[in-house]
Amino acid sequence: DVKVTQSSRYLVKRTGEKVFLECVQDMDHENMFWYRQDPGLGLRLIYFSYDVKMKEKGDIPEGYSVSREKKERFSLILESASTNQTSMYLCASSLIPGQGAYEQYFGPGTRLTVT
Amino acid sequence: GESVGLHLPTLSVQEGDNSIINCAYSNSASDYFIWYKQESGKGPQFIIDIRSNMDKRQGQRVTVLLNKTVKHLSLQIAATQPGDSAVYFCAERGTGGGNKLTFGTGTQLKVEL
Repeated sequence: DVKVTQSSRYLVKRTGEKVFLECVQDMDHENMFWYRQDPGLGLRLIYFSYDVKMKEKGDIPEGYSVSREKKERFSLILESASTNQTSMYLCASSLIPGQGAYEQYFGPGTRLTVT
Repeated sequence: GESVGLHLPTLSVQEGDNSIINCAYSNSASDYFIWYKQESGKGPQFIIDIRSNMDKRQGQRVTVLLNKTVKHLSLQIAATQPGDSAVYFCAERGTGGGNKLTFGTGTQLKVEL
């Protein structure tokens, strides 16, 4: 079974702090994604990566950056956390198109509170 | 001040009844659709998927129907059980390339005993 793990389930940070959210997948997937999930808004894509050191902006990249130094690890960085970044953050991974499946496998999520 | 989130649409069904959860998608060029289930405190889990060249696909107790004419997707759950209580999301793969999915806002399914 695919396993996607996230470094923390719950995180509380102060405004202005730099925050790192880590995600690791064990299925050798090329694609990795970071979403935020807010009540009534569904999942919104922040950034995604289709290969090591490659990244592309999603729908709401402002205030975030990412890093993918190794295939299995995708990090989300909040350079200076703000209260409007309080949210549930979900990481996902998937195979590349052409391998027959577009399903994304999700981690358990990190609930971040910025005070 | 504190922000108040939007409320999810809620579907309440009796245990043992069939559930139908609907989803309207936005992109007529989307070629793949997927349903996810998200239980409280967990990440979304895959339920079933369907490609745009199909109208119907069945899994274990679940059926997905695709109506491309009206851009509508539905998830049918047979003999709904308490363990089916969760938020259900549909997602579509558009024409943007890669494996990007666009997610709906979700429906809360509540199973009453």
